[in-house]
Amino acid sequence: AQSVTQLGSHVSVSEGALVLLRCNYSSSVPPYLFWYVQYPNQGLQLLLKYTTGATLVKGINGFEAEFKKSETSFHLTKPSAHMSDAAEYFCAVSETGANNLFFGTGTRLTVIP
Amino acid sequence: DAGITQSPRHKVTETGTPVTLRCHQTENHRYMYWYRQDPGHGLRLIHYSYGVKDTDKGEVSDGYSVSRSKTEDFLLTLESATSSQTSVYFCATNSVLAAAEAFFGQGTRLTVV
Repeated sequence: AQSVTQLGSHVSVSEGALVLLRCNYSSSVPPYLFWYVQYPNQGLQLLLKYTTGATLVKGINGFEAEFKKSETSFHLTKPSAHMSDAAEYFCAVSETGANNLFFGTGTRLTVIP
Repeated sequence: DAGITQSPRHKVTETGTPVTLRCHQTENHRYMYWYRQDPGHGLRLIHYSYGVKDTDKGEVSDGYSVSRSKTEDFLLTLESATSSQTSVYFCATNSVLAAAEAFFGQGTRLTVV
């Protein structure tokens, strides 16, 4: 069975500081992993995804994530936070050949000027 | 942006009344999904469809039904709305299993009073 754990429902960082949002997953088969962002009153938008190949994945808006199989983690990072990064972020997992995404409970990122 | 339109965007209804939410896509995607988003729960799958007239239950399907008579339309029906179904509902689509990203609609905010 698949599941996703996002540590920290709220994260606050100062503008220009490192952003680190944590995601751990469980999956009985090699997973596909995703990070989505949700701005207020909008749907979800894909930031990045890992399927196979390189374990460091780069996405939009300067975000990247690293798949670490030994730690079952897929943490999201950005070197320097911008005010526009304030949003809710969701980690999701899908198993190879499956037809559904399982989402974590989300992390709300606040950027302090 | 993927052409996914949800209607209505907002609805207030009374307990016990039937409610139908509509998702319309112009992407010709095979797979369509209905999720509900609630604080502390992230997104949870209600029902999904893998083709016209082919649907299946997700993890929170009780009290909901769906229909897909055309590739582009996926309807979610609450046969008799309850206050526990107050939520934000999202439709999503993707073209192939797992590895492809899911595209989300803007959401429907449903309040059951």
